[in-house]
Amino acid sequence: AQRVTQPEKLLSVFKGAPVELKCNYSYSGSPELFWYVQYSRQRLQLLLRHISRESIKGFTADLNKGETSFHLKKPFAQEEDSAMYYCALKDVQGGSEKLVFGKGTKLTVNP
Amino acid sequence: AAGVIQSPRHLIKEKRETATLKCYPIPRHDTVYWYQQGPGQDPQFLISFYEKMQSDKGSIPDRFSAQQFSDYHSELNMSSLELGDSALYFCASSLEGYAGELFFGEGSRLTVL
Repeated sequence: AQRVTQPEKLLSVFKGAPVELKCNYSYSGSPELFWYVQYSRQRLQLLLRHISRESIKGFTADLNKGETSFHLKKPFAQEEDSAMYYCALKDVQGGSEKLVFGKGTKLTVNP
Repeated sequence: AAGVIQSPRHLIKEKRETATLKCYPIPRHDTVYWYQQGPGQDPQFLISFYEKMQSDKGSIPDRFSAQQFSDYHSELNMSSLELGDSALYFCASSLEGYAGELFFGEGSRLTVL
């Protein structure tokens, strides 16, 4: 069954430190993975997707099919990165598509 | 730019009452998704619609129903409310075939007393 696992519920780092938010997935097909972010009092929004191979706000994520992972990384965390981060998997079944979310990791970047 | 609009933002109901949540997708988006997020939980997929037809169904209780109207807005109807239905209900919209890029509303917070 499709599943997204984010093992860390909370992650706290200091400003300027590297940060890595872990995400592992289980999916029988060819996976498409995403990171969504929710800043305080704001709506959930797309941060990046693996097919784009892009860096957004200094964040990158590489899909590792061997390890079934899609960890989110940033070399130097900033205070404004503090937010809730959700890893999500696109589940395609029977012609329809939906996102399956992990439980989220709350990142706090301390000054 | 116009975003996904949900109403009401907050709703308080008593057990066994009914509630209706509304979602207005981004113009030209033809697909609407409903998610339920309990306290400290991940968003759980409830149901989705494409071109006014139900396209997928997740862990939606039988007490809940939803539909998408001709103007693409959607309504989630919840009856015989239970305490466990207290949650944040998100609506999201997308263009069909771009399910990975969902645009979310701010959510409707339902509290059942």
